[in-house]
Amino acid sequence: DGGITQSPKYLFRKEGQNVTLSCEQNLNHDAMYWYRQDPGQGLRLIYYSQIVNDFQKGDIAEGYSVSREKKESFPLTVTSAQKNPTAFYLCASSMTFRVSNQPQHFGDGTRLSIL
Amino acid sequence: GQNIDQPTEMTATEGAIVQINCTYQTSGFNGLFWYQQHAGEAPTFLSYNVLDGLEEKGRFSSFLSRSKGYSYLLLKELQMKDSASYLCAVRDQARGYSTLTFGKGTMLLVSP
Repeated sequence: DGGITQSPKYLFRKEGQNVTLSCEQNLNHDAMYWYRQDPGQGLRLIYYSQIVNDFQKGDIAEGYSVSREKKESFPLTVTSAQKNPTAFYLCASSMTFRVSNQPQHFGDGTRLSIL
Repeated sequence: GQNIDQPTEMTATEGAIVQINCTYQTSGFNGLFWYQQHAGEAPTFLSYNVLDGLEEKGRFSSFLSRSKGYSYLLLKELQMKDSASYLCAVRDQARGYSTLTFGKGTMLLVSP
């Protein structure tokens, strides 16, 4: 079955530690996205990538970093510079950025908490 | 910038009809999406509107008026499993074709 896999489902971070959230898709989608969701807030865009080896900052990129070395993979690193990292992180992908009616498909999310 | 407004919460009864509204302000509107999200789960795509009018898909319909910056999601024959958060998201040409801006979501509670 095609889909988006995020791992781990739950992640705990110590103060001052970097952690990496995994996102893999086998949908052959060009575009991938990372969102953060906090209680009572909508999804906020952290980073997105329209094509391999290219990515752009979203609305709340500070304290995060990404890479897109392979079409299937778009890992997100939450660095120690992110002062409030506790949130639900969602990865998404869409077929192409060129066609506006393509919906984004989401993974099941990773819940990150600070110890 | 963009501003997307949805009611925070709504309640309805099983078997009834409910309408969830979404208003938006964008500089270059290029499509509106509705998603359903159950607690702790991934959002799932429900509908897409780019032209004015109604799009029907089974028990769910979505309406768009571009001149009014307004959309609604209509859910008919409500079932308990429809209790979820409903997210309105807008694509804006000014931000590029890739990205969506999401509203805060409307939490719908369906009671017996």
